[in-house]
Amino acid sequence: GQSLEQPSEVTAVEGAIVQINCTYQTSGFYGLSWYQQHDGGAPTFLSYNALDGLEETGRFSSFLSRSDSYGYLLLQELQMKDSASYFCADPLRRRDDKIIFGKGTRLHILP
Amino acid sequence: DAGVIQSPRHEVTEMGQEVTLRCKPISGHNSLFWYRQTMMRGLELLIYFNNNVPIDDSGMPEDRFSAKMPNASFSTLKIQPSEPRDSAVYFCASSFGTSGRSSYEQYFGPGTRLTVT
Repeated sequence: GQSLEQPSEVTAVEGAIVQINCTYQTSGFYGLSWYQQHDGGAPTFLSYNALDGLEETGRFSSFLSRSDSYGYLLLQELQMKDSASYFCADPLRRRDDKIIFGKGTRLHILP
Repeated sequence: DAGVIQSPRHEVTEMGQEVTLRCKPISGHNSLFWYRQTMMRGLELLIYFNNNVPIDDSGMPEDRFSAKMPNASFSTLKIQPSEPRDSAVYFCASSFGTSGRSSYEQYFGPGTRLTVT
């Protein structure tokens, strides 16, 4: 079956760097998306990796390694407003395959 | 652009009643998704439309759930009859894709928080 696994919770300190990992088992994998969701809010798109390597967008970066079936989201210079849940997703529907999201990682930031 | 619009934002209903959730996707987007989110099950895709046609409804829990997209600017998700276990936040999302595939970037509406008592 298809699945994306990520830790349920991660804690980090304000100003630090944190990495949220995502491992996947999907057939015909195309790429990995990342979404952020604040409490009571809707998921918002952060990044997408179609190719192996690092994609950087400001304080956030995302990495993909197809050979390891693994990706991560890297958040730098953490701010309190980064406290949220982060989801990895296999977002592109292939024939007869589902669009799936991981269960999400809750990021707690300590002052 | 106003983004994806959902209504109502909150719905409280009694078991057995019919519930209709509404969604207006972003203008120009050709893919529309209905998701359900709970603490236990996370974010689940219920159904996906492309160019107003249902492509994948395998996530719809059972026959009590139905979804329609009569035109490019409107979709409904109906639950009849509703049950307490349907309590969740229901999100609608839209994107623009080609060749029958959705884009990797989906735009979510604010969600409808449904409580069935």
